[in-house]
Amino acid sequence: VLLTQSPGTLSLSPGESATLSCRASQSISSRYLAWYQQKPGQPPRLLIYGASSRATGIPARFSGSGSGSDFTLTISRLEAEDFAVYYCQQYGSSLGVSFGGGSKVEIK
Amino acid sequence: EVQLLESGGDVVQPGGSLRLSCAASGFTFSSFAMHWVRQSPGKGLEWVSGINNGGGDTNYADSVKGRFTISRDNSKDTLYLQMDSLRGEDTAVYYCAKDPRTWQWLLPYFDDWGQGTLVTVSS
Repeated sequence: VLLTQSPGTLSLSPGESATLSCRASQSISSRYLAWYQQKPGQPPRLLIYGASSRATGIPARFSGSGSGSDFTLTISRLEAEDFAVYYCQQYGSSLGVSFGGGSKVEIK
Repeated sequence: EVQLLESGGDVVQPGGSLRLSCAASGFTFSSFAMHWVRQSPGKGLEWVSGINNGGGDTNYADSVKGRFTISRDNSKDTLYLQMDSLRGEDTAVYYCAKDPRTWQWLLPYFDDWGQGTLVTVSS
């Protein structure tokens, strides 16, 4: 399953909200979609699983939504530590898991 | 606290071999499937291989099938990746990663990751 993330780069100021899109080439069963945050030199960090469930310790300003083949990660009131690259990953296809190409949220 | 510590990354010539290790602690290793995920320099993430909790079932990405072998030693809480016939496109940081669900291993997502180990394939 091909996952296409947009935009490639989002330039925002602290306090603004970010909306990141992840579109799948086919419908993902049971909303098996996860989101990760990655900062330079660090491994990915799980933010969201099951399309909308926050992982342990993830702040409420991170929220996931969507179903079928269209999913969204929203970060409300960006904080300095939120500027990073975000990846979506599907784990609902019998063809195997796959990751999107990433969206970078940078400071404007 | 879950800790995953990879080791074994190095510079190797095309066609060469390398074995990566991932030492786990902070959780019951034998209860969880484990996986390797790689990231090429400046690129995105690619799932490489997975193994169920007992070690009897394994799965591979098409890009590494027949060249890489995943294994585990539950008595040592350690995951391995034997990499043979290495190619330039295998150059990447290799992460070991854990799925939080004990019942799932074929279609994982990952709640814990190691810091990664760098494999460079170059002559």
